[in-house]
Amino acid sequence: SQTIHQWPATLVQPVGSPLSLECTVEGTSNPNLYWYRQAAGRGLQLLFYSVGIGQISSEVPQNLSASRPQDRQFILSSKKLLLSDSGFYLCAWSGQGELFFGSGTQLSVL
Amino acid sequence: AQSVTQLGSHVSVSEGALVLLRCNYSSSVPPYLFWYVQYPNQGLQLLLKYTSAATLVKGINGFEAEFKKSETSFHLTKPSAHMSDAAEYFCAVSGRDKLSFGAGTTVTVRA
Repeated sequence: SQTIHQWPATLVQPVGSPLSLECTVEGTSNPNLYWYRQAAGRGLQLLFYSVGIGQISSEVPQNLSASRPQDRQFILSSKKLLLSDSGFYLCAWSGQGELFFGSGTQLSVL
Repeated sequence: AQSVTQLGSHVSVSEGALVLLRCNYSSSVPPYLFWYVQYPNQGLQLLLKYTSAATLVKGINGFEAEFKKSETSFHLTKPSAHMSDAAEYFCAVSGRDKLSFGAGTTVTVRA
């Protein structure tokens, strides 16, 4: 069966520090992968998605970037975090016509 | 482009009462529609999905939704609310390679 792993679960970072969130999927090959962010009271915002290795589509211009170095690995990064980067980050993969989500990372930038 | 609008950011119901969450969609092609539920500090879990088969879709935990093309709606209902239904609910519509989500509706259940 397919599983998705996302870590860390919580993260507290100072403003200006770098960020790396990792997501891996098991049990499937060549999945479409996604990074979403939830800010308080603002629903889900699609940040990036990828349909294959090295293929990244950015939905919203911002302080973040994404990379897909391997088929089932998706990384969200920032060189310098801003206060506005705080939120709940969710990784997901798509299969059978639906999205399957990881358990999320709560990022607090202080 | 596809989009959904959820009417009402907060819904409060009594335990045992009907739960009704409203979602309207906009799509240039026949849509695939979804309802997801999110419990605090967790990822999203699929409740149900509509993929152009039966217009009344039954999901997990006693929820169901009806696709109404004439009203461009996909409202979610549950006949009798349980305390465990307290969560945030998201409607979504599929586009090319991605889903677009509504802003979410938070459901609280009163004892």
